[in-house]
Amino acid sequence: DSGVTQTPKHLITATGQRVTLRCSPRSGDLSVYWYQQSLDQGLQFLIQYYNGEERAKGNILERFSAQQFPDLHSELNLSSLELGDSALYFCASSVSGVITDTQYFGPGTRLTVL
Amino acid sequence: GQQVMQIPQYQHVQEGEDFTTYCNSSTTLSNIQWYKQRPGGHPVFLIQLVKSGEVKKQKRLTFQFGEAKKNSSLHITATQTTDVGTYFCAPLERNSGGSNYKLTFGKGTLLTVNP
Repeated sequence: DSGVTQTPKHLITATGQRVTLRCSPRSGDLSVYWYQQSLDQGLQFLIQYYNGEERAKGNILERFSAQQFPDLHSELNLSSLELGDSALYFCASSVSGVITDTQYFGPGTRLTVL
Repeated sequence: GQQVMQIPQYQHVQEGEDFTTYCNSSTTLSNIQWYKQRPGGHPVFLIQLVKSGEVKKQKRLTFQFGEAKKNSSLHITATQTTDVGTYFCAPLERNSGGSNYKLTFGKGTLLTVNP
């Protein structure tokens, strides 16, 4: 158990819909990272937040957005869902905003778009 | 961005045999991390390598960073069934358009161990 929690564990929805994935970092960690893992693309970095502010952006689509709240939990919003968005979405956290910090991954949310 | 190749994609071994996965880059890496993901699980940080020629050991696992910092390897001695999983290398890559960095994960090597 890494100490990072993600909800829900599974999510099944239809194309065109919008969903919100939630992540609570380890106690004391200020940074949250979001990753997408699919069979064809592997593990892709989406976005990083540090203490409420966006720190780095990766391969995140415009249909996706994220935020980190004052209590440091984070949400990833996925809209206008397509079949290709079906994937495992991981959240990770680290102590500071420094990229070389150890990242602790949560158990993931499996999204299925039908 | 930099191109990172991880080989092999799959490796099946008999318990007790050794295993090695390689991560090769077309550009010089500043830093590389290794992660393990068990089937159905999440990535777990194993190690970080920073210095040219660095070698680090964790029990039966040996991690190396090449002298030119363009490649890295993970070697497992005498594999056990608990070693099953996908091993990822994750070099740091500069984020396009900014001064920030991001981890770029390789495709990973899936290791299966026959008891």
